[in-house]
Order: sequence, then C-alpha cells, then structure tokens
Amino acid sequence: AQSVTQLGSHVSVSEGALVLLRCNYSSSVPPYLFWYVQYPNQGLQLLLKYTTGATLVKGINGFEAEFKKSETSFHLTKPSAHMSDAAEYFCAVTLNTGGFKTIFGAGTRLFVKA
Amino acid sequence: ETGVTQSPTHLIKTRGQQVTLRCSSQSGHNTVSWYQQALGQGPQFIFQYYREEENGRGNFPPRFSGLQFPNYSSELNVNALELDDSALYLCASSLAETGLEGYTFGSGTRLTVV
Repeated sequence: AQSVTQLGSHVSVSEGALVLLRCNYSSSVPPYLFWYVQYPNQGLQLLLKYTTGATLVKGINGFEAEFKKSETSFHLTKPSAHMSDAAEYFCAVTLNTGGFKTIFGAGTRLFVKA
Repeated sequence: ETGVTQSPTHLIKTRGQQVTLRCSSQSGHNTVSWYQQALGQGPQFIFQYYREEENGRGNFPPRFSGLQFPNYSSELNVNALELDDSALYLCASSLAETGLEGYTFGSGTRLTVV
C-alpha cells in the first residue's frame, strides 16, 4: 500500500538553526514528491517538488529537499530558520496507479524559538 | 491572476442532510482536486477531475461526489452527512491532469456536522 510518513508531529528549532523535517514514502510505482506549507487558517502552498531529473530540488523561502530512492526519503531542510517559517509542513506523493492520486503525510508542526 | 476561491468559508449542517461546496480554479488550470482535512491531520484525497471527467479517486464512499464544469469550476457534494464528515474541505487546481506541476490550494470550507 502506498503511504507517506512524516517523522515527528512537532519540531522545535531556534532561530538561525538548521531545519530538518523528515519524510519517508512507500510506493510500488515511481513517486512524484512534494512539500507544502500551511499557515493558520490558510490553504496549502507548494514549497518544492521532485518529478524527474536532479534529486536535490530547491524551493521557495530557502528550503530544499533531496530525493533518495534507496532510502525512500524526501527530507526537507533549510540552513537557517526564521521566525516566519513557523507553520505546518506536509509531505505528499502523487502516484499514477491507473488514475492520479495524491497522498499527504500527517504533517509536522515547526516551532521557531527566538 | 486570481487564485483558487472556495465558498462558503464556513457551514453548519445537520446529520443526514446534504451539502454542496463550490470551488473556482485558478485561471488557466484544467484540473481540480478535493481533499478532506480533519483537525490535526493531513489532507485526505477525495477525488480529482480533469476536463470534466473524474481521473482519480481516494477511499471515500459514493456519497461523496463531484462535478467539474466547462469553465473548470467544481462542486463537491456530500449526501447523508455524518458527524465524522466535520472537517476542512480543500479544493486545489493544477495546470496538468497529472498534478505534477503542483497544486494551488484554496483556503477551504470549514464544515461542521451537528
């Protein structure tokens, strides 16, 4: 069965510290991977995506993620956290299994301490 | 360009009733997806429409149905509402039927079933 697992429902970092949000997927077909961010009372905003090509992808707001097929992972990183990065982050996978289906992880709430 | 707009923003219904939620896609987008997001969880894929045809469906019962219109706006209909249907319903649109360009999300409709 296809699934997306985000390790850690809550992550807390200090301002200026490294941000690492973990995502692992399970898929029997080639996955297309995404990270979205959700601010309170808003819809989701696309941060970055991996479909084909280079496995290290850069997104908005200084975020990047690396697709590692051998580890079935797509972890999200940012070298230096900013207070405005505090939000909920969702990893997602789109699969073509005779129809297109997108599966989201449960989300990780990022807290940034001053 | 306008984004994805959803209406209404909030709705309260009684168990057993029917509800229709509406979504206007971002200009130029011909694909629309609907998601259910329960409190504290990630969005769950309901279904996706491309050029008025359903081209993907998640694990939701048939009482969840949808329509996409020639102008690519969309409706989500839920019959025989249950208490567990209380959630944030998100609409998202995309340029391509695969959704691989990523989705633009609306701010959602908060449905409460009492």
